[in-house]
This record gives sequence, C-alpha cells and structure tokens, in this order.
Amino acid sequence: ETGVTQSPTHLIKTRGQQVTLRCSSQSGHNTVSWYQQALGQGPQFIFQYYREEENGRGNFPPRFSGLQFPNYSSELNVNALELDDSALYLCASSGRRQGASNEQFFGPGTRLTVL
Amino acid sequence: QQPVQSPQAVILREGEDAVINCSSSKALYSVHWYRQKHGEAPVFLMILLKGGEQKGHEKISASFNEKKQQSSLYLTASQLSYSGTYFCGTDYQAGTALIFGKGTTLSVSS
Repeated sequence: ETGVTQSPTHLIKTRGQQVTLRCSSQSGHNTVSWYQQALGQGPQFIFQYYREEENGRGNFPPRFSGLQFPNYSSELNVNALELDDSALYLCASSGRRQGASNEQFFGPGTRLTVL
Repeated sequence: QQPVQSPQAVILREGEDAVINCSSSKALYSVHWYRQKHGEAPVFLMILLKGGEQKGHEKISASFNEKKQQSSLYLTASQLSYSGTYFCGTDYQAGTALIFGKGTTLSVSS
C-alpha cells in the first residue's frame, strides 16, 4: 500500500508568481484535504475534495484553488503569490465513509518560500 | 472555533507520564490526535468519535468527554521517540474539515 506523496518537496517563488502543488492520495482513499502550516502553528484547512468535487473550504481567498482527478490525486494552485504564503503545504487523504469522520493520513508536505 | 490545547509545552524524563488536553467551546463530533516531528508531516495517532468509538495505535491512550467537549491524550512511560509536537484536530459534523489546535510540544530527555 502506497502512502500519500507530494511534489515538489521544496519550492522557491517570487511575489506575484503562480504555483501548482501536487498530491497523490493513499491507495483506496477518495478524499483529499489541503492544509497550510505556518512555522510554529497547527495546520490550517484550505479545502477538501471528495470524488472530484470541492467539499468544504476554509478561510482562504479565491486565488487558492484546487482540483481532484479521477484517480483521486489532487492539485493545489496558488495565484498572485504573497510573502505570507510562505509555509508548509500538507495534503491528507482519507477514505470517506458516508456519515463518518475518517482518519486522515498526511503526505510529507511541500515547503514553499515566497521571496 | 479553534480547539484549545494545554499545556503548551511539556518537558519529561524517559519513563515519566504526561497528559495533553484539547477542549472546544462547541459540540464535537470527533477528535483526531497527531504527532509531528520537526520538519516532518503529522503522523496519525488516534481518532475518537462521538458515541465512544476509538481507532488508533495500541500503545496510545486517549479519552473523549462529550459532556465537557474535551479530549485527553495519555502518554505513559515516555520514550525519547515521543518527543515532538502533538496536535488535536476537531470536527463538528461527520466528514467536515478538521480544525487543529496550536499544538503541545513534548520534549523527552534521557
């Protein structure tokens, strides 16, 4: 069973640029959630995808967008990068069961630095 | 509403015990516990669900008090490998987003 993978591991961008982060979910999982983790803080929920549809969104502006593909892998896109977007971006996959909360398994993260 | 974790930091010697608490002002559906080591991803430890169901590692113990909207993680006979930051994540309805606390940093020394 393959765990959650993310790419790239590190990324350096400049203000105003755009970035795409990728996540492959764990085998058998149909739900992917994205989180932003600033240094010394807990993960902050960005959005969740379930079977290719957005299924909840946190308090992030529209320049944060995402996609989920038929194989349940996912992308996080951030446009017009700002310095405050510098953080560790984590994706977590889970096998969603109707009417249940499920364990989420995190990938290793992508460390984004915006200069 | 972000759950509140206490204490913020704990320093232990190997073999000592610790309790980490997570509380919410809003009715919880489930509580998830994770441990994160520096520079690594959070690792799933345990999920506690409304109604009493629990799933997680055999060596980890936790409780969920639905009346008080509080969960506690019990770390007994601590080992060096227990060091890290512990986060609780909570949700208020099944299958919705997890809201994480600010974390409790645990340092275990020999």
